[in-house]
Amino acid sequence: GAVVSQHPSWVICKSGTSVKIECRSLDFQATTMFWYRQFPKQSLMLMATSNEGSKATYEQGVEKDKFLINHASLTLSTLTVTSAHPEDSSFYICSAKDSPYGYTFGSGTRLTIV
Amino acid sequence: EDQVTQSPEALRLQEGESSSLNCSYTVSGLRGLFWYRQDPGKGPEFLFTLYSAGEEKEKERLKATLTKKESFLHITAPKPEDSATYLCAGYNTDKLIFGTGTRLQVFP
Repeated sequence: GAVVSQHPSWVICKSGTSVKIECRSLDFQATTMFWYRQFPKQSLMLMATSNEGSKATYEQGVEKDKFLINHASLTLSTLTVTSAHPEDSSFYICSAKDSPYGYTFGSGTRLTIV
Repeated sequence: EDQVTQSPEALRLQEGESSSLNCSYTVSGLRGLFWYRQDPGKGPEFLFTLYSAGEEKEKERLKATLTKKESFLHITAPKPEDSATYLCAGYNTDKLIFGTGTRLQVFP
């Protein structure tokens, strides 16, 4: 089946620094990838939709200058949290569309800003 | 506004005690209803997609059903390894709209 690899699985950063999270489709090409944020005991909130070779589409209320998304190839999308602050600490999950009606999720990244 | 609501929020079952999880949705132009399982600290794992009212799908101890307003995930004779959060999501216009999930605990 389709596999999406997300890296790192956890990261701790100092406040004010930037951190990059990678999402790779391992055995299929993904023209569309998605980035979610999840708070403890809450559901997944879609942050943005990433299309290969074009600008990402951000959901209302998501700061595109803080959460930079790049989808430069058919197998890789990256999310960079810039000038991170403690309130950016969360669980970030990517997913990729592996078929017309199929979505495969990465294993998530636990981001902690100290 | 498109919305997906799951109940109960949490459920504790004894091993072997069957039950059902509910997912109510108001999603315009719904093209599919997804069920996922999520273990703590992990991404969601795909279980089922249902496309039309009346459709049913089964996998081991799980069975998902769909009506025009809601979906049910039936768990028959659950085991402790079925403990997880179960998420449902409505799909339209290339977006998944997630419910808040049901945290299931199955104890021996």
